[in-house]
Amino acid sequence: QSALTQPPSASGSPGQSVTISCTGTSSDVGGYNYVSWYQHHPGKVPKLMIYEVSKRPSGVPDRFSGSKSGNTASLTVSGLQAEDEADYYCSSFAGSSNYLFGTGTRVIVL
Amino acid sequence: EVQLLESGGGLVQPGGSLRLSCAASGFTFSSKAMSWARLAPGKGLEWVSSISDTGGSAYHADSVKGRFTISRDNSKNTVYLQMNSLRDEDTAVYYCAIGGRYGGWNSWGQGTLVTVSS
Repeated sequence: QSALTQPPSASGSPGQSVTISCTGTSSDVGGYNYVSWYQHHPGKVPKLMIYEVSKRPSGVPDRFSGSKSGNTASLTVSGLQAEDEADYYCSSFAGSSNYLFGTGTRVIVL
Repeated sequence: EVQLLESGGGLVQPGGSLRLSCAASGFTFSSKAMSWARLAPGKGLEWVSSISDTGGSAYHADSVKGRFTISRDNSKNTVYLQMNSLRDEDTAVYYCAIGGRYGGWNSWGQGTLVTVSS
């Protein structure tokens, strides 16, 4: 089981957009529509932002959107706000290997 | 209000054992898969274990397979993580969450710290 690959960091100014990639294989991200994204402010509880690739739980702003192409999933945060600065993790069902998280991306609001 | 309250963490020597508990309330516990994940210092989230709503199916990450066991008691609305043969690298904050291997973990507990050290 190897973690899904995410860039260590991404940054943008307030109001701009930032997109985070999450690269796996055909055995996980590419093989199933069970990609989720979590936001984690250090010291706090992780929060679900996106599930099943592109669905948003109630209460999550529509500034957050998810997509997938082949073995890579993406999370886009539009209209960046200061409170969006956090760590973001993707995750995916991985069949017989069960479940994987990504390596995590620190989003920095400049 | 959904609540997940972990307990059982602490300091343990390498090779030792701990049992974590996660007491749930505010939802129909017996209809939800449950999972454990961990966050080690300076590292990212790692999936540890998941269990089906009935407890009939349990899954573990390769890194803990054979050492950790997830279980649940639906009469007590509690999910457990029995951790044996603990290693230094098991040091982490352990979170329980509502959801299984298909993701979409929409509620997480506050976490309990496990420190493995001599």
